[in-house]
Amino acid sequence: EAGVTQSPTHLIKTRGQQATLRCSPISGHTSVYWYQQALGLGLQFLLWYDEGEERNRGNFPPRFSGRQFPNYSSELNVNALELEDSALYLCASSRGLAGVYEQYFGPGTRLTVT
Amino acid sequence: KQEVTQIPAALSVPEGENLVLNCSFTDSAIYNLQWFRQDPGKGLTSLLLIQSSQREQTSGRLNASLDKSSGRSTLYIAASQPGDSATYLCAVAQGNTPLVFGKGTRLSVIA
Repeated sequence: EAGVTQSPTHLIKTRGQQATLRCSPISGHTSVYWYQQALGLGLQFLLWYDEGEERNRGNFPPRFSGRQFPNYSSELNVNALELEDSALYLCASSRGLAGVYEQYFGPGTRLTVT
Repeated sequence: KQEVTQIPAALSVPEGENLVLNCSFTDSAIYNLQWFRQDPGKGLTSLLLIQSSQREQTSGRLNASLDKSSGRSTLYIAASQPGDSATYLCAVAQGNTPLVFGKGTRLSVIA
């Protein structure tokens, strides 16, 4: 069974640009989660999608947005990039409710904003 | 608001030593607790998941315990090896909120 996949592996953008990150969940998983891991700050929850709907959102500004497609894959968009957006972005998937089902993580996308 | 703390932040031990990593959380109303391993610049690998009704879980040289009432979990690693060197993260799950993570313990096992 294939694990959670993310693309691209690395992404370099300039301040003010937009970044798009992609995630494909494990087959049969309907929930996708996005986390940001910035240097020294630990893992912070960004967004949770389930069955195409946004279910929960972390304490991040509206320029962080995303969506989930009918095949349950997901996209994270970051508009008006700032230097502090540089981080490892991790995607995870699960069969359903966040607190009940185990989450499986992808390898991450390293975003660098210059 | 749930807060997860991991102590120590960093740990260096000689190969072969048994060690314990600690995790504490402020709200005991959790569904489960997970321990993860993260190698530098990589994603997370799930090590053990303990449901709130369980007291411990074992996988190979790893044993995780959970005391929900006191808000504590420990990860015991037996006979440590250099390949165990990584950052170990503890995370708790509550209802509709995704995982809340501690900041991790960075482990170095010296050959």
